Amino acid sequence: NAGVTQTPKFQVLKTGQSMTLQCAQDMNHNSMYWYRQDPGMGLRLIYYSASEGTTDKGEVPNGYNVSRLNKREFSLRLESAAPSQTSVYFCASLGGIRGGYNSPLHFGNGTRLTVT
Amino acid sequence: QQQVKQSPQSLIVQKGGISIINCAYENTAFDYFPWYQQFPGKGPALLIAIRPDVSEKKEGRFTISFNKSAKQFSLHIMDSQPGDSATYFCAARVTGGGNKLTFGTGTQLKVEL
Repeated sequence: NAGVTQTPKFQVLKTGQSMTLQCAQDMNHNSMYWYRQDPGMGLRLIYYSASEGTTDKGEVPNGYNVSRLNKREFSLRLESAAPSQTSVYFCASLGGIRGGYNSPLHFGNGTRLTVT
Repeated sequence: QQQVKQSPQSLIVQKGGISIINCAYENTAFDYFPWYQQFPGKGPALLIAIRPDVSEKKEGRFTISFNKSAKQFSLHIMDSQPGDSATYFCAARVTGGGNKLTFGTGTQLKVEL
C-alpha cells in the first residue's frame, strides 16, 4: 500500500501564478485534510473533508480552495500564489472503522512550495 | 491564537538521557491527545496517544503523562537514542466535527552521542 501520495514533491511559483497540489490515498479513508507547516508555527489546518462530497474551512483557508474529487483524492488549489504561501504542504487522511476516536492521521511526505 | 502550546522549541539530550517535551491546552472539549514524530523530508507519523481518562500511557521507551486538572501533558523519552532525533508535535482533538487535530508548534530533538 502506498498510503497517502502527494504530487509534486517540490514546486517554485512566481507571485500570481496558480497551481494545484494533488493528494490521493489508497486506504479507503473517509476524512482527508490539508495542513501547512511553517517554522515555529507547527502544522496548521487549511481545509478538510469529513467525507466524500463535503469540504470545510480550517484555521488558515484564505488564498486556497479544495476539491474532494472522489473518496481517494483531495486537491488543494492556489489561485494566485503569494510569497506568504511559501510553505511545506501536507495532505493527510483519517483511518479507523468509524474514522473517529483513536484513529491516527496518516500523512503524505509533503510538497515543498516556494513562491517568489 | 495557539490552542496547544508546546515547549521547548528545541532540545539537545545526551545518548541514554531522558527527553521531556511539554504541552498545555485550553479547550476542555479536547478528548484525544496524540504525539507525532517527524523525520526530515517525511510527513509526521503517530508515535503514541492518550485519552484524558488516564494519567499515563507507556509504549516502550515513550511515555505520555497527562494532568487533566492542569490541562497539561508531556512526552518522556527514556534512554534517548540518536535515532530519536526528529521533530515532535503534540496535538489535541475534539471527536466529531471532522475530527480535526490541532497541533503544537513542534520540538526539534537532537540526541548526541
